Amino acid sequence: QQQVKQSPQSLIVQKGGISIINCAYENTAFDYFPWYQQFPGKGPALLIAIRPDVSEKKEGRFTISFNKSAKQFSLHIMDSQPGDSATYFCAASRGNAGNMLTFGGGTRLMVKP
Amino acid sequence: GAGVSQSPSNKVTEKGKDVELRCDPISGHTALYWYRQSLGQGLEFLIYFQGNSAPDKSGLPSDRFSAERTGGSVSTLTIQRTQQEDSAVYLCASSPRDRGRAGPPYEQYFGPGTRLTVT
Repeated sequence: QQQVKQSPQSLIVQKGGISIINCAYENTAFDYFPWYQQFPGKGPALLIAIRPDVSEKKEGRFTISFNKSAKQFSLHIMDSQPGDSATYFCAASRGNAGNMLTFGGGTRLMVKP
Repeated sequence: GAGVSQSPSNKVTEKGKDVELRCDPISGHTALYWYRQSLGQGLEFLIYFQGNSAPDKSGLPSDRFSAERTGGSVSTLTIQRTQQEDSAVYLCASSPRDRGRAGPPYEQYFGPGTRLTVT
């Protein structure tokens, strides 16, 4: 059972454009929703995270939008840069169950100069 | 400060052999996680250690997989009688502590991983 579904699998955006990645989850017990960025040969690094009591969180060019009723959340990268080219993973976890992360399938983002 | 380190960075082994993968978490982090990243299965949780509590082994794919954490610090993931489907990148992450029911979330810091190839 795939508990977190992520789309698209790949995304090409022009420099300066907006990159949008979407995720949907099934388990309503999830209460923490982070996004990770991964460069080739490196481990994932936390980009931004949100809890379900807020609908939006912004950090610099990165924004998470969260829709609890639809069980969906998305990452928006404003003014996308070539250095943003990486694989992005959404994830979800439960605080009362060890906080182990359930990941989406990943989105490979390429930002063209 | 030093991040999570893993060794070896690459491991090639023959089918049927046993392998040990090592993780050195960030000093003082009490929670330690192992994940596996493969083309077919994506990123999946394997096992979780928190302090001196019994580990949560619910993600281990078979009884050929085991892990231990000595002294609440270094962890070793062991795969016995390796199979070709075990080929993947094995990632370790550590966290200052488990959130618990009411605490704030704690970031998991990932190591660079060990790329395992079973021939």
